[in-house]
Amino acid sequence: NAGVTQTPKFQVLKTGQSMTLQCAQDMNHNSMYWYRQDPGMGLRLIYYSASEGTTDKGEVPNGYNVSRLNKREFSLRLESAAPSQTSVYFCASSRDLSNQPQHFGDGTRLSIL
Amino acid sequence: AQSVTQPDIHITVSEGASLELRCNYSYGATPYLFWYVQSPGQGLQLLLKYFSGDTLVQGIKGFEAEFKRSQSSFNLRKPSVHWSDAAEYFCAVATTYNNNDMRFGAGTRLTVKP
Repeated sequence: NAGVTQTPKFQVLKTGQSMTLQCAQDMNHNSMYWYRQDPGMGLRLIYYSASEGTTDKGEVPNGYNVSRLNKREFSLRLESAAPSQTSVYFCASSRDLSNQPQHFGDGTRLSIL
Repeated sequence: AQSVTQPDIHITVSEGASLELRCNYSYGATPYLFWYVQSPGQGLQLLLKYFSGDTLVQGIKGFEAEFKRSQSSFNLRKPSVHWSDAAEYFCAVATTYNNNDMRFGAGTRLTVKP
């Protein structure tokens, strides 16, 4: 009963490097999301995918790209990492855009030096 | 745009004591309101939600929350706290019935003393 799986759990990058965060869900959900969580702030939505084949910007999309590879997988890419992107990243999924709850993964802790 | 404020960054209560976590929202119409809990190293789990109807909402793990329109509040309560309740709690608000519209508060960290 995996739910939402994120890889890797931890990563350290140098400024300017690129990286892709992976997310997969096994609940046959249509909608998937990427959030970032910073100290003293709540989660902020980066991008979301309402259904397979669609992606849309959230509240803080700058510096990121996403790919909805298939119904199960939704990846987040940092093309040129910046220290301001140091954060904990959460992937989530839901049956559809209007359905709660969202099911969250355990997060990826990303540090950019 | 809608926003949510959790005035308390950190709260400590003794095991068995009652708990109230505060949440205030800013939005002109009736919002959709949520409380999530995050245990260390894990993602968020939905405790309860309010969409309409009865202003007292029951959730999982013995939690409840009350929507007070006049105070723009949605406070979370539990009559008797257990050590396993130690976690971070997030209030969230949405203006539409869509997850992409949700805004989260900064969170309240709960410590439970034995």
